[in-house]
Amino acid sequence: AQTVTQSQPEMSVQEAETVTLSCTYDTSENNYYLFWYKQPPSRQMILVIRQEAYKQQNATENRFSVNFQKAAKSFSLKISDSQLGDTAMYFCAFMNHMEYGNKLVFGAGTILRVKS
Amino acid sequence: NAGVTQTPKFQVLKTGQSMTLQCAQDMNHEYMSWYRQDPGMGLRLIHYSVGAGITDQGEVPNGYNVSRSTTEDFPLRLLSAAPSQTSVYFCASSRTSRSGNTIYFGEGSWLTVV
Repeated sequence: AQTVTQSQPEMSVQEAETVTLSCTYDTSENNYYLFWYKQPPSRQMILVIRQEAYKQQNATENRFSVNFQKAAKSFSLKISDSQLGDTAMYFCAFMNHMEYGNKLVFGAGTILRVKS
Repeated sequence: NAGVTQTPKFQVLKTGQSMTLQCAQDMNHEYMSWYRQDPGMGLRLIHYSVGAGITDQGEVPNGYNVSRSTTEDFPLRLLSAAPSQTSVYFCASSRTSRSGNTIYFGEGSWLTVV
């Protein structure tokens, strides 16, 4: 079974600075997908970024980028130019390629607080 | 666009009571799932469905029942609520292409069992 570990329960960053959230995972599969979800206080689940394991190039979405290290099974999220609206819980998640049912395995989450 | 709709948003139950959390999607998605979110544990899969009439257990299925009589609806039933089922519940849906397609989440249902 796959597992996802987020070792940072809480983090804080000053507005406009850069912060990196860590995520490691364990799988014996070769093809899979990795995701970062943002959950603001409203509890809505918002997809931030997604990475396909067969792609070596790291995914980017505006101020959000990932550092995907397949051999090390590491998938960190970098947020540049942090904004107050980035304050949220962030979840790292894993899905097998061709997963029957599109089942996600989540990490425990990291609370990020952006300070002004 | 409604997307994934969950009702109710908030519910307080007494131990032993039964209730059903409703989930409906209007995107004609074949896959639907229920997750629960607890502090320090992220989201965990309760049950999932790959189409009408087909359901299966996830990681934490005990105490919950599901059925899928239509593509649109996937209700989650608590037959005899326990305090351990106090949680936030999320319904999700997606297409069947199994290529890491976007998974759509409902807004969550807060359940407290006293």
